[in-house]
Amino acid sequence: DAGVTQSPTHLIKTRGQQVTLRCSPKSGHDTVSWYQQALGQGPQFIFQYYEEEERQRGNFPDRFSGHQFPNYSSELNVNALLLGDSALYLCASSTQQATGAPLHFGNGTRLTVT
Amino acid sequence: GQSLEQPSEVTAVEGAIVQINCTYQTSGFYGLSWYQQHDGGAPTFLSYNALDGLEETGRFSSFLSRSDSYGYLLLQELQMKDSASYFCAVRGFSGTYKYIFGTGTRLKVLA
Repeated sequence: DAGVTQSPTHLIKTRGQQVTLRCSPKSGHDTVSWYQQALGQGPQFIFQYYEEEERQRGNFPDRFSGHQFPNYSSELNVNALLLGDSALYLCASSTQQATGAPLHFGNGTRLTVT
Repeated sequence: GQSLEQPSEVTAVEGAIVQINCTYQTSGFYGLSWYQQHDGGAPTFLSYNALDGLEETGRFSSFLSRSDSYGYLLLQELQMKDSASYFCAVRGFSGTYKYIFGTGTRLKVLA
């Protein structure tokens, strides 16, 4: 049973560039959330996708956008990269977010912006 | 705003018992979750308290007191592999789907 898979594992970009991160949810899961985790801090919610729609968004600028495909996989796009965007980007999948349903995280994409 | 505070670091020896606290300032939420994250790894779900009281899962137990705005994770019979970061997290009411994570506690287990 494949868990949540993310690609790429590491990425180095220059300020001003654009990046696309990818996520395949755990089998049977239909909901995908993206989190940003700075070094030594807890994950911060970026947004959640369900039924190919952005269902909720955290406190992130419009430079952060996403997409969910019919097979439930998802992409996170970040435009006009800033140095402060350097972080671990985590994808988490779950079923229709019943209360208490645990999040299943991928190993993340480590993004470095230089 | 909503915030969950945890001690930044805790150190204990193998075989000991350690408690990681989580104090929060948030309006209504469904329950308190705990996640473990090893360096370079993904957060993995450990425990969930929907109601006040103690939940036990093997060597790990978790406690919630809504009246005290407080919860904790208790790790017994510590092993070296328990060295990791631990996060508490809540999901709020009112149609919100996001989880808010605590500041995280780095646990070091010494031989």
